[in-house]
Amino acid sequence: GAVVSQHPSRVICKSGTSVKIECRSLDFQATTMFWYRQFPKQSLMLMATSNEGSKATYEQGVEKDKFLINHASLTLSTLTVTSAHPEDSSFYICSAPTGADSVRYFGPGTRLTVL
Amino acid sequence: GDSVTQMEGPVTLSEEAFLTINCTYTATGYPSLFWYVQYPGEGLQLLLKATKADDKGSNKGFEATYRKETTSFHLEKGSVQVSDSAVYFCALRGGKLIFGQGTELSVKP
Repeated sequence: GAVVSQHPSRVICKSGTSVKIECRSLDFQATTMFWYRQFPKQSLMLMATSNEGSKATYEQGVEKDKFLINHASLTLSTLTVTSAHPEDSSFYICSAPTGADSVRYFGPGTRLTVL
Repeated sequence: GDSVTQMEGPVTLSEEAFLTINCTYTATGYPSLFWYVQYPGEGLQLLLKATKADDKGSNKGFEATYRKETTSFHLEKGSVQVSDSAVYFCALRGGKLIFGQGTELSVKP
């Protein structure tokens, strides 16, 4: 089946630094990818929709200047957490749809810890 | 707006026990319904889906039936295994994909 990868799987950074997370569709093209944030023992919250060739669409309450999204190609979307703070620590998951019924495939997630 | 509500976890069962995880939804229109599973340290995987009323999704011994009259999509399995231990998410897709809060299942030998 379709595979979505994320890199890195785990990152620890100092407060104030920026962190880039990559999401790749490995055997299919995705004009759209979705970025989610998951807090411990909670549901996935959609942060933004990444669109190849155009600007990302952000959900209400998500700071677009803090969470920069770039959909560089049909197989790659990146999420950059700028000037990270401890409250940004979370599990970030990307997803891409494929197939006629747009089944969503999810990456394995990236655990971000900001010290 | 659309929403999904799942029974709270954690749910702890003995191996070979019967499993039910309740899921109800609120939506305008006719959404598709999904169950996703998240194993420890991994991303979400689609477990099963149903796209219209009375459809039954099934996979790996799990089943769920799309009940429009009760707006429910309960997940069931007749005999759980230790390897089924994971977090299960009910979700709907009308426009956006919306998740319930997840239910943690722990199966003991």
